[in-house]
Amino acid sequence: AQSVTQLGSHVSVSEGALVLLRCNYSSSVPPYLFWYVQYPNQGLQLLLKYTTGATLVKGINGFEAEFKKSETSFHLTKPSAHMSDAAEYFCAVSLPGSARQLTFGSGTQLTVLP
Amino acid sequence: DSGVTQTPKHLITATGQRVTLRCSPRSGDLSVYWYQQSLDQGLQFLIQYYNGEERAKGNILERFSAQQFPDLHSELNLSSLELGDSALYFCASSVDGRGYGYTFGSGTRLTVV
Repeated sequence: AQSVTQLGSHVSVSEGALVLLRCNYSSSVPPYLFWYVQYPNQGLQLLLKYTTGATLVKGINGFEAEFKKSETSFHLTKPSAHMSDAAEYFCAVSLPGSARQLTFGSGTQLTVLP
Repeated sequence: DSGVTQTPKHLITATGQRVTLRCSPRSGDLSVYWYQQSLDQGLQFLIQYYNGEERAKGNILERFSAQQFPDLHSELNLSSLELGDSALYFCASSVDGRGYGYTFGSGTRLTVV
């Protein structure tokens, strides 16, 4: 079975600073990896995904993530935080061939300080 | 607007009652997924349908059931409700059944009192 650990349930950064949200996974086979964002009172929006190929994945709103198999990590980064980035971020994993079921991490609430 | 429509947005009901949550997938999407989001359990996969057939089942209670109709909309039925069933219920859809990144609806917030 696969699992996801998001380090840090709350992260605060200043506007313009680097955003780094950490995600580590556990899987018996190379997984598919996703980052979703949830704004208050809204559903989850896909930021980016890794399935195969290039390990550095670029997503929407300037976010990117790098799949590091040796570290079993898929950390989300953005060079410069914007106030509008304040939201909850979820890392998720699924298994190839069984990609229907996403296993989510517990989420990281990102606060952006002026 | 993600294109996935969930109704109602809010639902308040009493313990022991039964409710039905409805989901209309994005145009062209054949697969529907249901998730539950609660404070103590986080986001949990409940069930998936593809073109009317059940494809995968997760942590769905026996008191809960779902179906997908010929027009591809889906309903999640929750019965004998308990206080612990209070949660956000999300529907998501994808064009195929492989789930390479769903599109989520905005959810139905269920409060059981």
